[in-house]
Amino acid sequence: NAGVTQTPKFQVLKTGQSMTLQCAQDMNHEYMSWYRQDPGMGLRLIHYSVGAGITDQGEVPNGYNVSRSTTEDFPLRLLSAAPSQTSVYFCASRNRAGGTDTQYFGPGTRLTVL
Amino acid sequence: SQQGEEDPQALSIQEGENATMNCSYKTSINNLQWYRQNSGRGLVHLILIRSNEREKHSGRLRVTLDTSKKSSSLLITASRAADTASYFCATDAQGTSGSRLTFGEGTQLTVNP
Repeated sequence: NAGVTQTPKFQVLKTGQSMTLQCAQDMNHEYMSWYRQDPGMGLRLIHYSVGAGITDQGEVPNGYNVSRSTTEDFPLRLLSAAPSQTSVYFCASRNRAGGTDTQYFGPGTRLTVL
Repeated sequence: SQQGEEDPQALSIQEGENATMNCSYKTSINNLQWYRQNSGRGLVHLILIRSNEREKHSGRLRVTLDTSKKSSSLLITASRAADTASYFCATDAQGTSGSRLTFGEGTQLTVNP
């Protein structure tokens, strides 16, 4: 299993540009999430999905869109990048089967918006 | 604002000592989880405690949960230099379309050899 994969690893955007951060998991988990982590801070939940076709907002959803057309993929779209969106973005999938509850994180995408 | 808040923000100890980190939260939870993050890497799940449990152990880790005080603690016994990392608590609470896992701001633990 590759686990949770994220692309790209690094990205530099100019203010106003749009882009999609890719996230995929091969563990057949229904639940996936996107978080952002600013320097020296904890993770803040952007959007999450409890299954294909179902998404919901987290703590900081403004400026981001998500969709979940398949169990495996959960892309995050930045509509019009702003310097305030400079951060490290982590995708995670969550195993809640059989009484367990464990979230698995990808390696992160480091985004800089100029 | 974030659901969980860790205390202290930073902790520096010597190898062999015990490290205790605390987490407070605001709303009712289904469970509380602790994660570890090495610098610049993704988070790794350490241990989960359910809302009807008071204490859990896993190796050198001991977690307690007090739902009446809305607080949890993580104890790492006989710490090692390799335990140096950031530690985060995460609370699982009900959201609009299912449960959501939200994180605190973390405790930076430094274990000096």
